Amino acid sequence: DVKVTQSSRYLVKRTGEKVFLECVQDMDHENMFWYRQDPGLGLRLIYFSYDVKMKEKGDIPEGYSVSREKKERFSLILESASTNQTSMYLCASSGRGLLDTEAFFGQGTRLTVV
Amino acid sequence: TQLLEQSPQFLSIQEGENLTVYCNSSSVFSSLQWYRQEPGEGPVLLVTVVTGGEVKKLKRLTFQFGDARKDSSLHITAAQPGDTGLYLCAGHSSGTYKYIFGTGTRLKVLA
Repeated sequence: DVKVTQSSRYLVKRTGEKVFLECVQDMDHENMFWYRQDPGLGLRLIYFSYDVKMKEKGDIPEGYSVSREKKERFSLILESASTNQTSMYLCASSGRGLLDTEAFFGQGTRLTVV
Repeated sequence: TQLLEQSPQFLSIQEGENLTVYCNSSSVFSSLQWYRQEPGEGPVLLVTVVTGGEVKKLKRLTFQFGDARKDSSLHITAAQPGDTGLYLCAGHSSGTYKYIFGTGTRLKVLA
């Protein structure tokens, strides 16, 4: 079974802190994604990576950065956390082959910035 | 901009009833996924459909991909409280990395 694991289920951080969200997948997938999910807004793509050290901005990259030093690990960084970044953060991965059509999600990290 | 619209947004039904959720787009997708998400958890993949007109069944759930691969439906027969959750559709186009997610349908099945 594909497994995507996010390092924390719940996080509470203070405004201005630098926050790291970690995600690891065990299926040797090339593509990894970070989304945030907010009521009424659905899933919005923050960043995605299609290979080690490669990244592309998604729809809402402002205030975030990412790091992919190893194929299995994709980190989301909130440079200076703000209250409007309180959200559910979801990591996902997918393969790149013609038959790799699905994205698989981690369990989510509920981040609260106070 | 590719969009996927789901309807209805909210649905509250009694156990044993049938229901259908729709996922519509003006864009063509090479595949479409359906996910179910429970509160506080990540979305869990239910099914992928790839061929226009394709029908897949997963116990009491029936998924259909439109002939033109622009829309899909999820039909649940004899809904149970365990079916409660947020249902998301996601479209994918081959040759791209991105997934386009629908707006979601929040289903509540009352015992």
